[in-house]
Amino acid sequence: EPEVTQTPSHQVTQMGQEVILRCVPISNHLYFYWYRQILGQKVEFLVSFYNNEISEKSEIFDDQFSVERPDGSNFTLKIRSTKLEDSAMYFCASTLLAETQFFGPGTRLTVL
Amino acid sequence: SQQGEEDPQALSIQEGENATMNCSYKTSINNLQWYRQNSGRGLVHLILIRSNEREKHSGRLRVTLDTSKKSSSLLITASRAADTASYFCATAFNSGNTPLVFGKGTRLSVIA
Repeated sequence: EPEVTQTPSHQVTQMGQEVILRCVPISNHLYFYWYRQILGQKVEFLVSFYNNEISEKSEIFDDQFSVERPDGSNFTLKIRSTKLEDSAMYFCASTLLAETQFFGPGTRLTVL
Repeated sequence: SQQGEEDPQALSIQEGENATMNCSYKTSINNLQWYRQNSGRGLVHLILIRSNEREKHSGRLRVTLDTSKKSSSLLITASRAADTASYFCATAFNSGNTPLVFGKGTRLSVIA
């Protein structure tokens, strides 16, 4: 069964460094999302992406964040200058018909 | 905001018992989805119920939706130790490409 994959599973970085989180959505899906979950808290929406552009973004998704679909398979989330409060689990999700969203296993980002 | 809020926050039951988790939300929705998350892992989609549906079944799962009360329940029958996880409801404001809004989740422990 096709699934969303994410790499790396765990990323440790120093405050101020740039990180790129990678996702490979399910191959025929058209809509892509990033969410994050700070430890012990709710899953929060960051951004949605369709037809090679951002569809919607939350207030969390400020200028430090960017997304890209550099080729036909990868979907990346870049954080330009990480802060301590960016430490969280980041989930990528994709969907074909913009209904049921299928989530990847997540990348745990730790900012020191 | 259209937050989903689950209760109870934590539930501990014996294997074989039924587990019921509830979710309330604040605004009109197009659909409501339930997800499971094993500790530190990704989100697994369980079931989606649309606003014009009242009940849905999938295996040992039964979901109800009461749009007049803005609430949903997830019933897991004949629970197993493997059902131990956190369960989240997520609401979609409209159809199409829309972000999911997650609740805080119910942590279910099934004791063998």
